[in-house]
Amino acid sequence: GAVVSQHPSRVICKSGTSVKIECRSLDFQATTMFWYRQFPKQSLMLMATSNEGSKATYEQGVEKDKFLINHASLTLSTLTVTSAHPEDSSFYICSAQTGTGTIDGYTFGSGTRLTVV
Amino acid sequence: GQNIDQPTEMTATEGAIVQINCTYQTSGFNGLFWYQQHAGEAPTFLSYNVLDGLEEKGRFSSFLSRSKGYSYLLLKELQMKDSASYLCAVMDSNYQLIWGAGTKLIIKP
Repeated sequence: GAVVSQHPSRVICKSGTSVKIECRSLDFQATTMFWYRQFPKQSLMLMATSNEGSKATYEQGVEKDKFLINHASLTLSTLTVTSAHPEDSSFYICSAQTGTGTIDGYTFGSGTRLTVV
Repeated sequence: GQNIDQPTEMTATEGAIVQINCTYQTSGFNGLFWYQQHAGEAPTFLSYNVLDGLEEKGRFSSFLSRSKGYSYLLLKELQMKDSASYLCAVMDSNYQLIWGAGTKLIIKP
């Protein structure tokens, strides 16, 4: 089946530094990648939708300059958390449409646990 | 506004049957998904319903009633490994997924 590889799985960084999270679609072309954030015991919150070769669409309340998304190819999308702060500590997950995105659902990366100290 | 409601937590016994309900109010409807999420892991796809009725897939079944804005996930012959959170998500008229907060299912021996 379709696989989305997400790295790193865990990262601890100091406040003020930047962290890059990568998501790669291994056996299919992901024209659209969704980036989610999930705080403990809460629902998935969509942060932004990225389309290959164009600017990402950010959800209301998500800072574009803080969460930089790049979708330079059909198989790679990256999320960079710039100048991270402790409140950015969360579980970040990417998701890509597989085929029509309906019958097969959306394939998720394995997630990145970010801890900012 | 758009809203997905599901119970926060449920407890069931190994070998038993459990039904997790989901009610929704969204702007348009293009299908409902159920995902399983183990602690610290990403969600994995379980089912998709777009027409009314029951979809059976092994030990898991999912039901949809569009007129009632209601779905349930039925898990049979519960196993300890089924302990996880179960997320209900609806695709709205803009083909955007609206997620419920998830139901944490605890299986006891």
